[in-house]
Parts: sequence; C-alpha cells; structure tokens
Amino acid sequence: GAVVSQHPSWVICKSGTSVKIECRSLDFQATTMFWYRQFPKQSLMLMATSNEGSKATYEQGVEKDKFLINHASLTLSTLTVTSAHPEDSSFYICSARGLAAFGETQYFGPGTRLLVL
Amino acid sequence: QKEVEQDPGPLSVPEGAIVSLNCTYSNSAFQYFMWYRQYSRKGPELLMYTYSSGNKEDGRFTAQVDKSSKYISLFIRDSQPSDSATYLCAMSAGGGNKLTFGTGTQLKVEL
Repeated sequence: GAVVSQHPSWVICKSGTSVKIECRSLDFQATTMFWYRQFPKQSLMLMATSNEGSKATYEQGVEKDKFLINHASLTLSTLTVTSAHPEDSSFYICSARGLAAFGETQYFGPGTRLLVL
Repeated sequence: QKEVEQDPGPLSVPEGAIVSLNCTYSNSAFQYFMWYRQYSRKGPELLMYTYSSGNKEDGRFTAQVDKSSKYISLFIRDSQPSDSATYLCAMSAGGGNKLTFGTGTQLKVEL
C-alpha cells in the first residue's frame, strides 16, 4: 500500500516553455501533498505544501507564480513550472500524506527529472 | 545550527556488517521519527516510522529513538550490497507539520 506515482519521470524542454508534473496517490486519499526539489548530493528542499481544495502554502524563497501547484482532488496534485529556465533544472519529488489517523508519514513518488535547455 | 544534523558520509562497510546511522536534533517538539532510503535518481522510500522514544524492529532494520538525548539511530544487520543508498532521517512535531530532514548519509556496502 501507500503508492505514489509521478508523471513524467523525466522531461527535457526548451527555455521559456512550461512543464506540468503530475503526482498521484494510487491506493489512498492524500489530504496533503508536498513538493520537493533536490539537487545532486543534497537533501530534499520543501517547495510547497498543498491541501486538497485550497491554495498551496509556499516556502520562503519559492516563487508561487513560477511554480504553480494545483491539488484538485484527494489523489492528484500537479506542479507546473512556468517559463522554465536552465536554473530550474532539478529533480522534483512529490510526497503525499493520508488522513491524520494514518499518522505523519509521507510517502514519496519516484521523482521527475527536469532538464531545461 | 541546523535543526537536524546527520553525518553525510560516505560510509563504506563490508557485506554482512552491522551498520549504524544516526541523527541528532535540537527541536524538543519532534515526536514522529522516520527513516527513508533513497537510491540514486529515485524518490525516498519509507523504511521505519516511530513515535516518541523507544525501539522498533522490522526484519534487518532497527530504529531507536532517545528523546532525552535528542538522538535517533537506524541499525542495519547483515548488510547487503543492495543496501547501498542514501539514508535520510526525518522528523515532525505532528499535527500536520512538515517533515524536517537530515542531509542524508551515503552508505556503500561492499562485497
């Protein structure tokens, strides 16, 4: 149980284009989803937290107009990198947390590798 | 000072060794403690989840939490080459708060 999928697993795009990444909880309802960014050999950096049906909460220094997050249902959240630039190239990972009764654990997706040319 | 400190390694051990991975933290509000394993270019995989102090065992893995010392450990018995990965500790105060991660320890188990 507790499977989270991400799509696509990798994407290459041209500078200035927008990229959408999907995160789905496959076998549980995710009341909260998180989006992280990870640079090589570094730990996870939380970008934003989203609760189903409400606006995402962004961490300090993360541009909400650049990284659009939508959490439209209990099983799907999307991250759209708008007007991507080479410095946005990174490994993006989502995680999902179920109902409070299931504890504080977050279950992670496999990640999406973004390369902006 | 970071809220969670974790030695980045790399840690290299022979196959079959007992591995000890550790994290210290400063926030006494943390009550939920997790260990994740992350293979290269993959998302983190939950290994162990504990609440408050004590020990928890699952197969070759044992997690220990000492809240009085603000110190958590993950032990891996009979380590295998397939255990080679980065191990991340994570913790939360609960109540829907976000996880705070350690920087991760890179482990290599050699034949």
